[in-house]
Amino acid sequence: DQQVKQNSPSLSVQEGRISILNCDYTNSMFDYFLWYKKYPAEGPTFLISISSIKDKNEDGRFTVFLNKSAKHLSLHIVPSQPGDSAVYFCAASDPIQGAQKLVFGQGTRLTINP
Amino acid sequence: DTGVSQNPRHKITKRGQNVTFRCDPISEHNRLYWYRQTLGQGPEFLTYFQNEAQLEKSRLLSDRFSAERPKGSFSTLEIQRTEQGDSAMYLCASSSRGWGDTEAFFGQGTRLTVV
Repeated sequence: DQQVKQNSPSLSVQEGRISILNCDYTNSMFDYFLWYKKYPAEGPTFLISISSIKDKNEDGRFTVFLNKSAKHLSLHIVPSQPGDSAVYFCAASDPIQGAQKLVFGQGTRLTINP
Repeated sequence: DTGVSQNPRHKITKRGQNVTFRCDPISEHNRLYWYRQTLGQGPEFLTYFQNEAQLEKSRLLSDRFSAERPKGSFSTLEIQRTEQGDSAMYLCASSSRGWGDTEAFFGQGTRLTVV
Protein backbone atom coordinates (compact mmCIF):
# COMPACT_ATOMS: atom_id res chain seq x y z
CA ASP A 1 0.00 0.00 0.00
CA GLN A 2 1.90 3.01 -1.32
CA GLN A 3 0.56 5.94 0.70
CA VAL A 4 2.92 8.47 -0.90
CA LYS A 5 3.46 8.26 -4.64
CA GLN A 6 5.81 10.02 -6.99
CA ASN A 7 4.61 8.88 -10.37
CA SER A 8 7.46 10.34 -12.41
CA PRO A 9 10.64 8.32 -11.91
CA SER A 10 12.65 10.89 -13.83
CA LEU A 11 12.50 14.47 -15.07
CA SER A 12 14.81 16.40 -17.35
CA VAL A 13 14.83 20.22 -17.35
CA GLN A 14 16.90 22.87 -19.05
CA GLU A 15 19.14 24.99 -16.85
CA GLY A 16 17.42 28.24 -15.88
CA ARG A 17 13.92 26.88 -16.41
CA ILE A 18 11.45 25.78 -13.76
CA SER A 19 11.49 22.22 -12.39
CA ILE A 20 8.20 20.91 -11.05
CA LEU A 21 8.20 17.68 -9.07
CA ASN A 22 4.91 16.13 -8.10
CA CYS A 23 3.74 13.94 -5.25
CA ASP A 24 0.35 12.39 -4.44
CA TYR A 25 -0.78 10.87 -1.18
CA THR A 26 -3.73 8.77 -0.08
CA ASN A 27 -3.79 9.15 3.70
CA SER A 28 -5.92 12.16 4.65
CA MET A 29 -4.44 12.05 8.17
CA PHE A 30 -1.03 13.22 6.96
CA ASP A 31 -0.41 16.62 8.52
CA TYR A 32 3.18 17.42 7.60
CA PHE A 33 4.98 17.10 4.30
CA LEU A 34 8.67 17.32 3.49
CA TRP A 35 10.94 17.24 0.47
CA TYR A 36 14.39 15.65 0.57
CA LYS A 37 17.19 15.70 -1.96
CA LYS A 38 19.64 12.84 -2.35
CA TYR A 39 22.96 12.71 -4.18
CA PRO A 40 24.56 9.33 -4.94
CA ALA A 41 26.44 7.81 -1.97
CA GLU A 42 24.98 10.38 0.42
CA GLY A 43 22.05 10.37 2.79
CA PRO A 44 18.92 12.41 2.03
CA THR A 45 19.17 16.13 2.79
CA PHE A 46 16.18 18.12 4.01
CA LEU A 47 15.01 20.80 1.56
CA ILE A 48 11.69 22.27 2.58
CA SER A 49 8.52 21.35 4.45
CA ILE A 50 4.91 22.41 4.73
CA SER A 51 2.23 21.96 7.35
CA SER A 52 -1.26 20.89 6.33
CA ILE A 53 -2.61 24.23 7.59
CA LYS A 54 -0.76 26.03 4.79
CA ASP A 55 -0.96 25.78 1.03
CA LYS A 56 2.40 27.28 0.15
CA ASN A 57 5.86 27.58 1.63
CA GLU A 58 8.77 29.30 -0.04
CA ASP A 59 12.50 29.19 0.65
CA GLY A 60 14.75 30.86 -1.89
CA ARG A 61 14.51 29.01 -5.20
CA PHE A 62 12.31 26.30 -3.68
CA THR A 63 8.55 26.51 -3.23
CA VAL A 64 6.26 23.75 -2.06
CA PHE A 65 2.55 23.84 -2.84
CA LEU A 66 -0.05 21.74 -1.05
CA ASN A 67 -3.52 20.97 -2.41
CA LYS A 68 -5.29 19.08 0.36
CA SER A 69 -8.49 18.48 -1.55
CA ALA A 70 -6.54 16.79 -4.34
CA LYS A 71 -4.08 15.17 -1.89
CA HIS A 72 -1.29 16.54 -4.00
CA LEU A 73 1.87 18.48 -3.38
CA SER A 74 4.51 19.83 -5.68
CA LEU A 75 8.00 21.21 -5.43
CA HIS A 76 8.97 24.08 -7.73
CA ILE A 77 12.61 24.93 -8.29
CA VAL A 78 13.26 28.15 -10.17
CA PRO A 79 15.62 28.81 -11.75
CA SER A 80 16.98 25.26 -12.03
CA GLN A 81 20.73 24.87 -11.68
CA PRO A 82 23.05 21.96 -12.60
CA GLY A 83 23.68 21.33 -8.89
CA ASP A 84 19.99 20.55 -8.48
CA SER A 85 20.49 17.27 -10.36
CA ALA A 86 19.66 14.62 -7.76
CA VAL A 87 16.90 12.28 -6.62
CA TYR A 88 14.06 14.07 -4.84
CA PHE A 89 11.84 12.37 -2.30
CA CYS A 90 8.62 13.66 -0.85
CA ALA A 91 7.63 12.41 2.59
CA ALA A 92 4.70 12.75 4.96
CA SER A 93 3.98 12.20 8.63
CA ASP A 94 0.80 11.01 10.28
CA PRO A 95 0.23 11.88 13.94
CA ILE A 96 -1.94 8.77 14.34
CA GLN A 97 0.59 6.29 13.01
CA GLY A 98 3.35 8.08 14.81
CA ALA A 99 4.72 11.52 14.10
CA GLN A 100 8.23 10.17 13.92
CA LYS A 101 7.37 7.71 11.19
CA LEU A 102 7.94 9.48 7.91
CA VAL A 103 6.43 7.82 4.85
CA PHE A 104 8.48 8.42 1.70
CA GLY A 105 7.61 8.33 -1.98
CA GLN A 106 9.70 6.36 -4.46
CA GLY A 107 11.67 9.39 -5.61
CA THR A 108 12.07 11.37 -8.84
CA ARG A 109 15.47 11.67 -10.50
CA LEU A 110 15.90 15.27 -11.68
CA THR A 111 18.48 16.05 -14.34
CA ILE A 112 19.29 19.65 -15.17
CA ASN A 113 20.76 20.02 -18.63
CA PRO A 114 23.15 22.90 -19.36
CA ASP B 1 30.27 18.52 14.54
CA THR B 2 30.85 15.93 11.83
CA GLY B 3 27.24 15.00 11.16
CA VAL B 4 25.62 11.57 11.47
CA SER B 5 28.20 8.83 11.06
CA GLN B 6 27.40 5.26 10.03
CA ASN B 7 29.72 2.27 10.02
CA PRO B 8 30.51 0.31 8.06
CA ARG B 9 29.68 2.00 4.76
CA HIS B 10 29.46 -1.33 2.98
CA LYS B 11 28.93 -4.87 4.23
CA ILE B 12 28.86 -8.08 2.23
CA THR B 13 27.78 -11.14 4.14
CA LYS B 14 26.73 -14.69 3.46
CA ARG B 15 23.13 -15.70 3.97
CA GLY B 16 22.54 -16.89 7.50
CA GLN B 17 25.24 -14.76 9.09
CA ASN B 18 24.57 -12.02 11.66
CA VAL B 19 25.51 -8.40 10.98
CA THR B 20 25.60 -5.30 13.15
CA PHE B 21 25.62 -1.69 12.02
CA ARG B 22 26.49 1.33 14.08
CA CYS B 23 25.14 4.88 13.98
CA ASP B 24 26.70 7.83 15.77
CA PRO B 25 24.21 10.71 15.74
CA ILE B 26 25.01 14.37 15.97
CA SER B 27 26.03 15.04 19.54
CA GLU B 28 23.20 16.27 21.76
CA HIS B 29 20.54 14.99 19.36
CA ASN B 30 18.15 13.00 21.50
CA ARG B 31 16.13 11.53 18.63
CA LEU B 32 17.48 8.76 16.42
CA TYR B 33 15.80 6.96 13.52
CA TRP B 34 16.60 3.91 11.39
CA TYR B 35 15.31 3.58 7.85
CA ARG B 36 15.84 1.03 5.10
CA GLN B 37 15.99 1.84 1.39
CA THR B 38 15.86 -0.68 -1.43
CA LEU B 39 16.63 0.01 -5.06
CA GLY B 40 14.09 2.29 -6.73
CA GLN B 41 12.20 2.93 -3.51
CA GLY B 42 12.16 5.65 -0.92
CA PRO B 43 13.39 5.07 2.62
CA GLU B 44 11.09 2.95 4.82
CA PHE B 45 10.80 3.58 8.53
CA LEU B 46 12.18 0.87 10.80
CA THR B 47 12.40 2.31 14.31
CA TYR B 48 12.76 5.45 16.43
CA PHE B 49 14.52 6.22 19.71
CA GLN B 50 14.13 9.15 22.03
CA ASN B 51 17.22 9.03 24.21
CA GLU B 52 17.63 5.35 25.09
CA ALA B 53 13.94 4.49 24.77
CA GLN B 54 12.76 2.73 21.63
CA LEU B 55 9.36 4.38 21.12
CA GLU B 56 8.24 3.21 17.70
CA LYS B 57 8.88 0.08 15.66
CA SER B 58 7.71 -0.80 12.17
CA ARG B 59 6.15 -4.12 11.25
CA LEU B 60 9.12 -4.35 8.87
CA LEU B 61 11.29 -4.95 11.91
CA SER B 62 10.93 -8.71 12.16
CA ASP B 63 12.17 -10.81 15.06
CA ARG B 64 15.52 -11.11 13.31
CA PHE B 65 16.07 -7.37 13.66
CA SER B 66 16.99 -5.65 16.89
CA ALA B 67 18.04 -2.08 17.57
CA GLU B 68 19.52 -0.60 20.69
CA ARG B 69 20.64 2.76 21.95
CA PRO B 70 22.06 1.80 25.32
CA LYS B 71 23.25 5.16 26.61
CA GLY B 72 21.13 7.43 24.50
CA SER B 73 24.07 8.23 22.25
CA PHE B 74 25.14 5.80 19.49
CA SER B 75 22.80 3.10 18.22
CA THR B 76 23.28 -0.37 16.77
CA LEU B 77 21.07 -2.30 14.39
CA GLU B 78 21.60 -6.06 14.33
CA ILE B 79 20.20 -8.46 11.78
CA GLN B 80 20.36 -12.13 12.69
CA ARG B 81 20.32 -14.99 10.19
CA THR B 82 20.47 -12.62 7.23
CA GLU B 83 18.40 -13.35 4.11
CA GLN B 84 18.90 -12.10 0.58
CA GLY B 85 15.83 -9.90 1.01
CA ASP B 86 17.69 -7.97 3.69
CA SER B 87 20.00 -6.51 1.04
CA ALA B 88 19.38 -2.76 1.18
CA MET B 89 20.79 0.58 2.27
CA TYR B 90 20.27 1.12 6.00
CA LEU B 91 20.00 4.79 6.89
CA CYS B 92 20.24 6.45 10.28
CA ALA B 93 19.04 9.95 11.07
CA SER B 94 19.08 12.13 14.16
CA SER B 95 17.41 15.30 15.35
CA SER B 96 16.87 17.39 18.45
CA ARG B 97 13.31 18.16 17.44
CA GLY B 98 10.74 16.52 15.21
CA TRP B 99 10.72 16.12 11.47
CA GLY B 100 10.31 19.30 9.49
CA ASP B 101 13.15 21.08 11.22
CA THR B 102 16.39 21.58 9.40
CA GLU B 103 18.02 19.94 12.38
CA ALA B 104 17.08 16.45 11.17
CA PHE B 105 20.08 14.88 9.44
CA PHE B 106 20.65 11.57 7.69
CA GLY B 107 23.91 9.65 7.64
CA GLN B 108 25.43 8.28 4.46
CA GLY B 109 24.02 4.83 5.13
CA THR B 110 25.35 1.29 5.31
CA ARG B 111 24.85 -0.75 2.17
CA LEU B 112 24.25 -4.41 2.99
CA THR B 113 24.61 -7.13 0.38
CA VAL B 114 23.60 -10.65 1.34
CA VAL B 115 25.00 -13.32 -0.99
